[in-house]
Amino acid sequence: GENVEQHPSTLSVQEGDSAVIKCTYSDSASNYFPWYKQELGKRPQLIIDIRSNVGEKKDQRIAVTLNKTAKHFSLHITETQPEDSAVYFCAASSNDYKLSFGAGTTVTVRA
Amino acid sequence: DAMVIQNPRYQVTQFGKPVTLSCSQTLNHNVMYWYQQKSSQAPKLLFHYYDKDFNNEADTPDNFQSRRPNTSFCFLDIRSPGLGDAAMYLCATSRDWTGEEKLFFGSGTQLSVL
Repeated sequence: GENVEQHPSTLSVQEGDSAVIKCTYSDSASNYFPWYKQELGKRPQLIIDIRSNVGEKKDQRIAVTLNKTAKHFSLHITETQPEDSAVYFCAASSNDYKLSFGAGTTVTVRA
Repeated sequence: DAMVIQNPRYQVTQFGKPVTLSCSQTLNHNVMYWYQQKSSQAPKLLFHYYDKDFNNEADTPDNFQSRRPNTSFCFLDIRSPGLGDAAMYLCATSRDWTGEEKLFFGSGTQLSVL
């Protein structure tokens, strides 16, 4: 099955700086890569996703890049704000249609 | 206007005492999932229902069972909880089963086993 590794496990950034989270996956057949954000005490929510036929996708301050050859994808948050503090999970979906999640990155934005 | 509702938010049970967690949805989604999430770990899929079709993950212990009596409700039954079953249990739904579906999560039930 798919194995997704996520780094770093924790990330502390100064407000206004950028944050980058990286994930690698094992199954070259994977074709869908979502990112979920889980604020403290709240449910995980989809913030952005990318499909294998696209190399980059942006939505305001967040962007995701995908390198299929290297089997890795990354989440970029620019101009971080306190409300960006949360746990972020990457995931990958392969031919079995099941999502495999990374272990999560706890992002703390310092004021 | 919560769309996926889990009850209770916190559940305490005793070692070996059966416990049931519940999940309901107002989205009329075909697929419902149960995930187990332990501290600092990735959510782990236990099983999912596509409509009434039950799909168990190969490594889900027999101790875990699920029921989906109708489209809106899904239950997780833990027959004899062990200390290792203490975790956050997340219910989620998706419109369909295509591998590219957005998951809608509930707020989770934090299970403690004493």
